[in-house]
Amino acid sequence: SAVISQKPSRDICQRGTSLTIQCQVDSQVTMMFWYRQQPGQSLTLIATANQGSEATYESGFVIDKFPISRPNLTFSTLTVSNMSPEDSSIYLCSVDSPTDTQYFGPGTRLTVL
Amino acid sequence: GESVGLHLPTLSVQEGDNSIINCAYSNSASDYFIWYKQESGKGPQFIIDIRSNMDKRQGQRVTVLLNKTVKHLSLQIAATQPGDSAVYFCAEKEASYGKLTFGQGTILTVHP
Repeated sequence: SAVISQKPSRDICQRGTSLTIQCQVDSQVTMMFWYRQQPGQSLTLIATANQGSEATYESGFVIDKFPISRPNLTFSTLTVSNMSPEDSSIYLCSVDSPTDTQYFGPGTRLTVL
Repeated sequence: GESVGLHLPTLSVQEGDNSIINCAYSNSASDYFIWYKQESGKGPQFIIDIRSNMDKRQGQRVTVLLNKTVKHLSLQIAATQPGDSAVYFCAEKEASYGKLTFGQGTILTVHP
């Protein structure tokens, strides 16, 4: 399975600011995904990021709020823009594998004051 | 839209008992299913998976059962241990599309 790291592991931010979360994988992968997990809830897919193309966003998520970069096959970033307290969540990246399984990073715990 | 849901949001068992966590899914086109375990402060950890051409798959102390007729998935944990305490999520996928849809999660608490 892929080894995935995320930075930062947690952060406390002021409303109106932006935070960029990094996701690094130890092997080249085609598809990377960004999820949001609100407190006490399940995971919701934000977008799918493929290298060399624009990210594909799910209903309810827009590029202006959650811009994503995918500069190569081992790295991606998610930015949470113009944050409000409602953005307080765990943000998780995951990667697809040749066997269809998805592996997840440890998550970034974001608190917006 | 299509969704995956769980019957029981919480489950408490005694150490050594067997646990069964259930999941209903609604997308008949889903052909791949995964169970994840999420401990506090961590990302989801892969436990076991099953494809739609199978009814049962066994791992170490875990078994996943798939009933396509009623769109039901279950995870059985044998001889449950305190270290099994976590939130368990089922997820379903249409392999050709790539993205996962997660169920709501079941909190499993194992009492010594």
